[in-house]
Order: sequence, then structure tokens, then C-alpha cells
Amino acid sequence: ETGVTQSPTHLIKTRGQQVTLRCSSQSGHNTVSWYQQALGQGPQFIFQYYREEENGRGNFPPRFSGLQFPNYSSELNVNALELNDSALYLCATLEASGTDTQYFGPGTRLTVL
Amino acid sequence: AQKITQTQPGMFVQEKEAVTLDCTYDTSDQSYGLFWYKQPSSGEMIFLIYQGSYDEQNATEGRYSLNFQKARKSANLVISASQLGDSAMYFCAMREDYYGNNRLAFGKGNQVVVIP
Repeated sequence: ETGVTQSPTHLIKTRGQQVTLRCSSQSGHNTVSWYQQALGQGPQFIFQYYREEENGRGNFPPRFSGLQFPNYSSELNVNALELNDSALYLCATLEASGTDTQYFGPGTRLTVL
Repeated sequence: AQKITQTQPGMFVQEKEAVTLDCTYDTSDQSYGLFWYKQPSSGEMIFLIYQGSYDEQNATEGRYSLNFQKARKSANLVISASQLGDSAMYFCAMREDYYGNNRLAFGKGNQVVVIP
């Protein structure tokens, strides 16, 4: 158990809709990253938040946005959903240590119809 | 350009046997970290083992060990005494920016099926 939780577990949306995914962090883990994992692929980095500020972004359009709250929980928002946004969305919290290991939540599986 | 390469096809492994999963990486940084994660069919990514670029000894964690060959830019995972619960996808990942952004670049994964 990593102590990282995500909600919802599964979600079905239609093209053009908006979605919000949530992630709660372990106590003391002030950095959270979001990844998108398409079927049969490795996860792709979306962005990272550190102390409520975006701290790095991958190759994703602005319709992917996020928030981090004072308790270090986080949201991923996706506007104007497209079919190829269908994927497993993983959040990971970072244990600040010599290794900076990221611990992942169980993911949210998003299907866009 | 792909930074992590995992090219092995799906593997069947006999229970109690050892299996080696290949991973090569590409970076010009001197300081980086390499990780292996396990992803069962449930979807959660489970951290297995870490190797830092400056670590002189190969990392070990229980039944997992990492064969780190820096000059060849390879970081192969060895799972000893395979168990049925080891059946999963295995991902190699690299963190390049040690002191800044901690993004991970993942390979496409290796599928392992352990058979009794």
C-alpha cells in the first residue's frame, strides 16, 4: 500500500466533455506528478506540482490542467475531451529522499466515447 | 527520441526460475536515476528497485536485483525464484533531472507470465 489514492476508479465521458480526476497524497509528500498511460504503452508525464505550483510539464496541450491543494492533494482537469484521451491516468507522489522515488496510486481509467 | 528501450517480447517463465528483463537508456546527463516498476493487471504501478548513476554497486531488493552497466547504458532487472504473483508488466524508467523536475521517462514495458 502506497497511501496514494485516486478517484474515481473508472469514468466514461463523451467527446467534448470535461473531466476532473483526483489524487490524495501521503502525508509529507509535497510533490505530485500525473501520467497518462495509453493501452499497451508506458506512462507519459503530463505535469508535476510542488507546493501548489506547476513544476514541469510534458508534451500535453493546455486543455490538460491541474491543481494542488494545501494538503498536497491534487486534481487533473481535462477539457474538450477527445477520443485519444482514453487512457489510464496515474498520479504519483514523491518521497523527498536520496532516491526521490515516486509512488503511484491505483489510477483512474477514463473512456471517451 | 526514445530514452528508455525495452524490446523483449512477452516472456513465459517457469515458477522458481530466474528471469532477466532488458532495459537500455539514453541520456547525456551524468546524474540520473533508474527505476523498475511492476504493473499487475489491476493497473497500479508498484515500485521495485532503484539504481543511481553514481552507485558503484548493483542495487538489490529481496528477489530483485539490477544489473547496471553504465558504459553500455543498460539496467537489466533480474527476478530470482519467480512466483506466480510475479506475472505482470514490468517498466523501466529514468529520472534525468535529479535536483529539479522529477519527471520519469518510461519504456514500453516487458510482459512476464509465470507458469507453474
